[in-house]
Amino acid sequence: GQNIDQPTEMTATEGAIVQINCTYQTSGFNGLFWYQQHAGEAPTFLSYNVLDGLEEKGRFSSFLSRSKGYSYLLLKELQMKDSASYLCAVKEYNFNKFYFGSGTKLNVKP
Amino acid sequence: ETGVTQTPRHLVMGMTNKKSLKCEQHLGHNAMYWYKQSAKKPLELMFVYSLEERVENNSVPSRFSPECPNSSHLFLHLHTLQPEDSALYLCASTLYRTEQIYGYTFGSGTRLTVV
Repeated sequence: GQNIDQPTEMTATEGAIVQINCTYQTSGFNGLFWYQQHAGEAPTFLSYNVLDGLEEKGRFSSFLSRSKGYSYLLLKELQMKDSASYLCAVKEYNFNKFYFGSGTKLNVKP
Repeated sequence: ETGVTQTPRHLVMGMTNKKSLKCEQHLGHNAMYWYKQSAKKPLELMFVYSLEERVENNSVPSRFSPECPNSSHLFLHLHTLQPEDSALYLCASTLYRTEQIYGYTFGSGTRLTVV
């Protein structure tokens, strides 16, 4: 089975840095994904980690530690448009199955 | 637009109605999925189709019936639903073995309300 945990809600200030954590327990781990979902819109793909370490993509970075079952999404230079839910998803070896956490709602304030 | 189109965007139906949700993609993807998204709960995987064959049915009640007539279209047929089935239903697609580059592509969902 899968157990994916992330905080329900976070608040941060425009221009700051925020880290959203995700812990997971799963069999046959084959990658961890982060998605962004604005209210009323489709989730959109942000990042993918399958090896330990940090992947950087502009203002967004994602980190993975497979031994600890832990990942985080780091958002730098926060902008108001970053207010959204951030979904952590784990992929298993069996066919293209992704399991999602409940999502972290990020509120960016001026 | 993400390239995955879902219709209708909103649907209100009675418990005795029969309705269908439609999903369409022309991205050349070969796997399609139905997910259910309820408030404050994780996205729940419902069905997986690969090359038009159902490869996963995640213990979903029989009042939900999927159909994949070709690799570009996916339907979810609904009948005799319950109020607890009210949720956002998301369709997603991907090209097998490219998910690490592109992840899933999701549609915007159908907001279903059962009254």
